[in-house]
Amino acid sequence: DIQMTQSPSSLSASVGDRVTITCRASQSSSSFINWYQQKPGKAPKLLIYTASSLQSGVPSRFSASGSGTDFTLTISSLQPEDFATYYCQQSYSIPDTFGQGTKLEIK
Amino acid sequence: QVQLVQSGPEVKKPGASVKVSCKASGYTFSSYGITWMRQAPGQGLEWMGWISTYNGNTNYAQKLQGRVTMTTDTSTSTAYMELRSLRSDDTAVYYCARDPIRNTNYFVSGSYFDYWGQGTLVTVSS
Repeated sequence: DIQMTQSPSSLSASVGDRVTITCRASQSSSSFINWYQQKPGKAPKLLIYTASSLQSGVPSRFSASGSGTDFTLTISSLQPEDFATYYCQQSYSIPDTFGQGTKLEIK
Repeated sequence: QVQLVQSGPEVKKPGASVKVSCKASGYTFSSYGITWMRQAPGQGLEWMGWISTYNGNTNYAQKLQGRVTMTTDTSTSTAYMELRSLRSDDTAVYYCARDPIRNTNYFVSGSYFDYWGQGTLVTVSS
């Protein structure tokens, strides 16, 4: 199975900050990486699919890039509603696997 | 609008079985696959398996093989996940999610999960 490693595991930031979360795959995942946001007690929400495509309805302050083994999710200007846990997921190789999550907290 | 509505919380004893339902609405059920995932308390997401709503094909996580069965009822646009021989480490929130890429064939890269159910808490305790 492809192992997905996110960094950092947690992050403190302020409203208005630019934040980047990294996801590294144990082997190439081509561009088949997706990003999800999860708030406490809620289901994950799709933000980005296929490495850089913004899901409909997701604010443009979210962006992502990468290919192969290294991927990033960037939030250009943090808003109060962005404080949550973020997961990357690869769907290049069976079975799909997720990163362990990055918890974004208010500083 | 697209919705996936799951059945309510369950409390089961070790060794028992649980069956979670996921009722879809707002789209053509048989045009999208359904993937099931779970999340143990305070942990990350674990992929459990996938079912084609078109032809019933399934693919299960190796660690759950023999204990999990996924089915669909196209007449009611409902997907089901049954887990047997429950153990304490099966305690988790179980999610269904719509898969717009994998429907007839799991062996396709590039899938993602665009709509999710609200989750069903399954607690396994003696």
